[in-house]
Amino acid sequence: AQSVTQPDIHITVSEGASLELRCNYSYGATPYLFWYVQSPGQGLQLLLKYFSGDTLVQGIKGFEAEFKRSQSSFNLRKPSVHWSDAAEYFCAVAPAGTALIFGKGTTLSVSS
Amino acid sequence: DTGVSQNPRHKITKRGQNVTFRCDPISEHNRLYWYRQTLGQGPEFLTYFQNEAQLEKSRLLSDRFSAERPKGSFSTLEIQRTEQGDSAMYLCASSHTGEGANVLTFGAGSRLTVL
Repeated sequence: AQSVTQPDIHITVSEGASLELRCNYSYGATPYLFWYVQSPGQGLQLLLKYFSGDTLVQGIKGFEAEFKRSQSSFNLRKPSVHWSDAAEYFCAVAPAGTALIFGKGTTLSVSS
Repeated sequence: DTGVSQNPRHKITKRGQNVTFRCDPISEHNRLYWYRQTLGQGPEFLTYFQNEAQLEKSRLLSDRFSAERPKGSFSTLEIQRTEQGDSAMYLCASSHTGEGANVLTFGAGSRLTVL
């Protein structure tokens, strides 16, 4: 069965430091891959997506993610974190023709 | 376009009561999805519609859960005989079909508390 693993439940990063959130998926072929962010009291917002082509994708708010087929990974990165980035981040996979399957999420805290 | 709208935002009910949530998707979106999210977990897929057709419902948690989209516009999710374990956030999302089918826009959710 398809699945998504986010190994880190909670990460704390200093403001201005770089960030990498890990995501691994299990699927036979190359799925569509997504990162969503959820702030308290807010709906899930799409940060970026990968369907095909260039394996480094750019998203909103300065985020990027890299698809590595050999590692079945789609890690999210940001060069310099801002306090407003504190939120919960979800990686998701969409096997062809089906609904999104989400990981359990990583909570990001930003320290000053 | 006001995005995906969900009502009510909060519902407190007693065990055994029925509850219904409504979702109004983005008007030009053909697909509509329901998810459930419990504390500390990612959203869990329940069901989805393409226009008025319910294309996947095997993930509905039990026969107490049902969803409709009678005219291919808004949708309702009903939970009958609620249990304390049904307490969760219920999320609705919508999307285009075709290439945009997997790009979901989510509503803010409806939080259910079962006492």
